[in-house]
Amino acid sequence: DAGVIQSPRHEVTEMGQEVTLRCKPISGHDYLFWYRQTMMRGLELLIYFNNNVPIDDSGMPEDRFSAKMPNASFSTLKIQPSEPRDSAVYFCASSLEAELTDTQYFGPGTRLTVL
Amino acid sequence: QKEVEQDPGPLSVPEGAIVSLNCTYSNSAFQYFMWYRQYSRKGPELLMYTYSSGNKEDGRFTAQVDKSSKYISLFIRDSQPSDSATYLCAMSARQAGTALIFGKGTTLSVSS
Repeated sequence: DAGVIQSPRHEVTEMGQEVTLRCKPISGHDYLFWYRQTMMRGLELLIYFNNNVPIDDSGMPEDRFSAKMPNASFSTLKIQPSEPRDSAVYFCASSLEAELTDTQYFGPGTRLTVL
Repeated sequence: QKEVEQDPGPLSVPEGAIVSLNCTYSNSAFQYFMWYRQYSRKGPELLMYTYSSGNKEDGRFTAQVDKSSKYISLFIRDSQPSDSATYLCAMSARQAGTALIFGKGTTLSVSS
């Protein structure tokens, strides 16, 4: 398996623009997680899905952030409008239901810079 | 008080040193404890996994959990330059609807 795939790997945009991050989880995994990582705050859970259904979105910072999982093999995280404080590395991770949420497999991340 | 506290370092040691990395936590419901390793510009990967209190050894790595003190440790023996990375502790209560809680990570540099 190729592992968790994220695109793009790098994104540079201007304040106010819409940003869409994409994730393909490992085939057969039931859980999908979106995280944001910064030096100041570390790794923060934004939202997670189980069988394509959002379970907990309490980590989504504001209404500018939205996430969808239309099917088992694809998820998006959208920021509209983007702001400089959204600059961070965004990770997607997936895990098997049998292992609950403990063993998570992370993608390589998307490094977002908002100017 | 954050649920999980971890000293961010950085921690610099010479090759061959014994390294001790630590986390403290406040939620007594945590039962599952993990260490993830993250190389520069990569995603975290699971390194060690421990249930409840006690020790677990895997090669040069030993994970230790003291639930009475709400304190976990990762020891690295005979550290190598390839161990240079950020180490994140993570914890889970394994209750429905909850997810992993991560520490901020400790950055380790092992010099040859």
